[in-house]
Amino acid sequence: EPEVTQTPSHQVTQMGQEVILRCVPISNHLYFYWYRQILGQKVEFLVSFYNNEISEKSEIFDDQFSVERPDGSNFTLKIRSTKLEDSAMYFCASSRETGRLNGYTFGSGTRLTVV
Amino acid sequence: AQKITQTQPGMFVQEKEAVTLDCTYDTSDPSYGLFWYKQPSSGEMIFLIYQGSYDQQNATEGRYSLNFQKARKSANLVISASQLGDSAMYFCAMRGSGGSGGYQKVTFGTGTKLQVIP
Repeated sequence: EPEVTQTPSHQVTQMGQEVILRCVPISNHLYFYWYRQILGQKVEFLVSFYNNEISEKSEIFDDQFSVERPDGSNFTLKIRSTKLEDSAMYFCASSRETGRLNGYTFGSGTRLTVV
Repeated sequence: AQKITQTQPGMFVQEKEAVTLDCTYDTSDPSYGLFWYKQPSSGEMIFLIYQGSYDQQNATEGRYSLNFQKARKSANLVISASQLGDSAMYFCAMRGSGGSGGYQKVTFGTGTKLQVIP
C-alpha cells in the first residue's frame, strides 16, 4: 500500500538553528500538508500546499516556517530559527483530488527536539 | 468551522471486552468525512477507519466499527475483543468538503487514552 515517507524520524537541534523536515508524498497525490503535535496535545494543522503554492495556513505558521516542493517528489518544511516551543512531532500528509474525502494519508512523523 | 469533541481523556477496558470511544462533531459542510486514528507511544498516526457522511452503512474494519449517528452528530469508535496492543491514544478527526479544490484540512479531537488491562 502506498505510504507517505518522512525523514528523519527523530531530530535534535539547537535553539536558533535552521531545520528542514522532509516528506515524500504518495506519487499520484496533488495536495500536501504539514501538521504539528506538541507532546500530550492534539494534532494541529499548519499548512496546505497545492500547485506549488500555499493554499491555506494556520496562525501557527508564521514567518519562521516555510514549505517547498523542490522537485517532483519531496515536500519540505523549514523552520528558520528554531525555538524551544517548536519541539513537537511533525506529520506530513497528502491527499488526492476532490471526490474522495477518505483519500488522505499521514506519514509516520518526525519528532523534533529543540535544546 | 469544524469542531471535534472527545469527552473521555482516558478509558480502561478489560482484555477481550468491547469498548466504545466517544466522538461528537460539528460542521456546516454538506458532506464530510470522519476518521479514527490510533497513536501508540512510538508516535506514528495509524489510520483505523473512515466514515463518509453520505455512506448508508456504518463503517467496519476488522475489530473496529464506527457507530455513526448523523442526526446526533456522533461518530463513536467501537473496538471489539480488546487486545493489549490496543493500548494507545485514539483520535477522532474530520475532513470537510468546504472551500475550493481538494485541500481541506483535517481537524482533530483532543484524543482518548485507552488502556487495556490483562
